[in-house]
Amino acid sequence: QKEVEQNSGPLSVPEGAIASLNCTYSDRGSQSFFWYRQYSGKSPELIMFIYSNGDKEDGRFTAQLNKASQYVSLLIRDSQPSDSATYLCAVNPIGSGNTPLVFGKGTRLSVIA
Amino acid sequence: DVKVTQSSRYLVKRTGEKVFLECVQDMDHENMFWYRQDPGLGLRLIYFSYDVKMKEKGDIPEGYSVSREKKERFSLILESASTNQTSMYLCASRWQGQQPQHFGDGTRLSIL
Repeated sequence: QKEVEQNSGPLSVPEGAIASLNCTYSDRGSQSFFWYRQYSGKSPELIMFIYSNGDKEDGRFTAQLNKASQYVSLLIRDSQPSDSATYLCAVNPIGSGNTPLVFGKGTRLSVIA
Repeated sequence: DVKVTQSSRYLVKRTGEKVFLECVQDMDHENMFWYRQDPGLGLRLIYFSYDVKMKEKGDIPEGYSVSREKKERFSLILESASTNQTSMYLCASRWQGQQPQHFGDGTRLSIL
């Protein structure tokens, strides 16, 4: 059973701080990794993807991938109350085009003003 | 931008009814998916399809069926709705390869 694990939280950070969200995955052959943000009552929205080891930055968001350790993380700099949401980590388990992504259950982030 | 459209945002049906949830995507994606999401349980895959008329069971297919007669449209069918099928239902689509999934706005279904 391919698994993606996330701490459910809530993770509480003060406004302006860096929020660090972590995810581990079980399938060593996984090749693409995604972070989705989901506001309460809404559907998941893609915010970042990463395919190669290292860091990928997009505005206030940085995705970090370490395939040897099988973890992927999301850093949110200068956290804002509007970043309060559940963040879902998703993994393409075998690099195949037609398999569903495997999702973690999400980490709830609360940014305190 | 990818657009995945679900036919209803909110739906109320009665126990025993046959319920149809429709999903349409406009990006010629091969792959389409139906999930349900319940508090504390995360996203659970019901069915997916990688081509017209093809379907694969996900983790929780019992009580559901699907139809994909055209590439852009993927329908979820509750054969005889029950109260334990009250949930948020999410449709998604994806191109092949390393591409992400894109979600529709969801349908919050209540079975009374």
